[in-house]
Amino acid sequence: GENVEQHPSTLSVQEGDSAVIKCTYSDSASNYFPWYKQELGKRPQLIIDIRSNVGEKKDQRIAVTLNKTAKHFSLHITETQPEDSAVYFCAASSPGSSNTGKLIFGQGTTLQVKP
Amino acid sequence: DTGVSQNPRHKITKRGQNVTFRCDPISEHNRLYWYRQTLGQGPEFLTYFQNEAQLEKSRLLSDRFSAERPKGSFSTLEIQRTEQGDSAMYLCASSLGRGVYNEQFFGPGTRLTVL
Repeated sequence: GENVEQHPSTLSVQEGDSAVIKCTYSDSASNYFPWYKQELGKRPQLIIDIRSNVGEKKDQRIAVTLNKTAKHFSLHITETQPEDSAVYFCAASSPGSSNTGKLIFGQGTTLQVKP
Repeated sequence: DTGVSQNPRHKITKRGQNVTFRCDPISEHNRLYWYRQTLGQGPEFLTYFQNEAQLEKSRLLSDRFSAERPKGSFSTLEIQRTEQGDSAMYLCASSLGRGVYNEQFFGPGTRLTVL
């Protein structure tokens, strides 16, 4: 079945350093890959997404790369700040038979940015 | 607040009782999703509505679970004869558009505790 693996499960960095979170997916038909940030007790919020026809996308300090051949995508956060501390989830969406747009999520990465 | 809203935010119930949750999506969003999130895990897809039609249900959705979206606006998720394993955060998300390239906006969730 559809599966998304996410690593690492926890990541601790010093303020100003970069953080990288990696995900792999199993369904080769997946064509949409969003990343969500979830702060403690709050709802998941989309921070960036990428479509399968794009290899890289950047938004200020956040970038996502996609390697369709390897079925692998990554989140890069540069110049990390304490407010970046949260749980980050990758997800993949496949057209499927009914084109639902449902998301298959990874297990999450708890990012801690130390001041 | 024009975001996705969910009620109640917290529900504590005894095993064997029935519970019902409500989700109000963003106005005019034709797509509505229910996910379940347990501690330390990513959200898991439960079911999907396009307007009032329920087009996909996960295998996770046992026959004790039922969801409706009678007028294509708000949705309800009912769990009958609750079990301790049903304890989780139930998240609702909505989106606008077709295909998989559509941002899903999440509600704050309903946290269910089954004693």
